[in-house]
Amino acid sequence: GQQLNQSPQSMFIQEGEDVSMNCTSSSIFNTWLWYKQDPGEGPVLLIALYKAGELTSNGRLTAQFGITRKDSFLNISASIPSDVGIYFCAGLGSGGSQGNLIFGKGTKLSVKP
Amino acid sequence: DTGVSQDPRHKITKRGQNVTFRCDPISEHNRLYWYRQTLGQGPEFLTYFQNEAQLEKSRLLSDRFSAERPKGSFSTLEIQRTEQGDSAMYLCASSLGGRAREQYFGPGTRLTVT
Repeated sequence: GQQLNQSPQSMFIQEGEDVSMNCTSSSIFNTWLWYKQDPGEGPVLLIALYKAGELTSNGRLTAQFGITRKDSFLNISASIPSDVGIYFCAGLGSGGSQGNLIFGKGTKLSVKP
Repeated sequence: DTGVSQDPRHKITKRGQNVTFRCDPISEHNRLYWYRQTLGQGPEFLTYFQNEAQLEKSRLLSDRFSAERPKGSFSTLEIQRTEQGDSAMYLCASSLGGRAREQYFGPGTRLTVT
């Protein structure tokens, strides 16, 4: 089955630093989504990517859809304390499913104030 | 703009009991999805509806699980004869038509089976 490998699993950074995380797959995806989840809450959609090579920004967040369609990257610039949380990548494959999002295991971000 | 809502937010039940969760999608969203999330993992797909029709079910959705969306609006997820392994966060998401790939999640229902 399709699996997503997300890295790093966790990271501690100083406030103001830039953050990078990525997601890779053994299979091709047609759509990549990035979510943020706070404890006890549902995931919140941050960015959606639809085309290979696409680069999309949402405020301090920038995400890219890899050329091979097997990876995606998320960058957070000038991190602040409220960026703390778990970031998930999710992909929608080309196998005919119209709803089955495949999620990574998440990157836990902690910021030192 | 009302987001996806789920009820209850928390449920504690004893093993063997039946439980039912409700999800109200974003108004006018025609697709509704159910996921399950355990600690330290990403959400795992269970099933999804387009309007009233249940179009896809995961192998995770055992015979004890049933989902309905009778009028194409809210949905219910029922778990019969709960087991301790059913303890998880149950998440509902919805999406709209041509942008069906953008799924918006509710706050989830945390189920604890004792």
